[in-house]
Amino acid sequence: QKEVEQDPGPLSVPEGAIVSLNCTYSNSAFQYFMWYRQYSRKGPELLMYTYSSGNKEDGRFTAQVDKSSKYISLFIRDSQPSDSATYLCAIPSGGKSTFGDGTTLTVKP
Amino acid sequence: DTAVSQTPKYLVTQMGNDKSIKCEQNLGHDTMYWYKQDSKKFLKIMFSYNNKELIINETVPNRFSPKSPDKAHLNLHINSLELGDSAVYFCASSPGQKNIQYFGAGTRLSVL
Repeated sequence: QKEVEQDPGPLSVPEGAIVSLNCTYSNSAFQYFMWYRQYSRKGPELLMYTYSSGNKEDGRFTAQVDKSSKYISLFIRDSQPSDSATYLCAIPSGGKSTFGDGTTLTVKP
Repeated sequence: DTAVSQTPKYLVTQMGNDKSIKCEQNLGHDTMYWYKQDSKKFLKIMFSYNNKELIINETVPNRFSPKSPDKAHLNLHINSLELGDSAVYFCASSPGQKNIQYFGAGTRLSVL
């Protein structure tokens, strides 16, 4: 079983839609949960992270962790064409980060 | 000022050749990484160095040899290139806390 599994996508939504991106993980000891965004032909960049359980909100983005079910989500409200990118969940452990396979999102105007 | 810079951005070469990719970071981080991203966007760690010392080697073929002359630089040399080496290679650095990764723009390697 992979340590981090991500819903594969791709995902295509109309502008203004609410987007839900999801990952599951296997190790209940994980504490930090990251979301990176990667635009086409660019390197990934950290979008936001959460510590332990709960929600964290940053503008139109909300990261959610449910440690009881080992499930992490990223919600995007009022999605914009500029949100079109690949989103990768990542979990740091042992001096490295394990990344999900990425979900490619396209927001159509 | 680019925080993590890699050169070259593109590399097209024949099977069997040897090539190098260079990486520099000006963030003052102690830890640097090499990742390989395949065509399906799967990002896989290859190596990690902390202050010039190799700390992670993720079962990468020994045709790949990283070198860190100082903590701001991490280079990757690849011998006897194979078709399967075609991918985007990303360098990253991290300050250590929470292992937040700062990525370069990537080097697109095509082996013909």
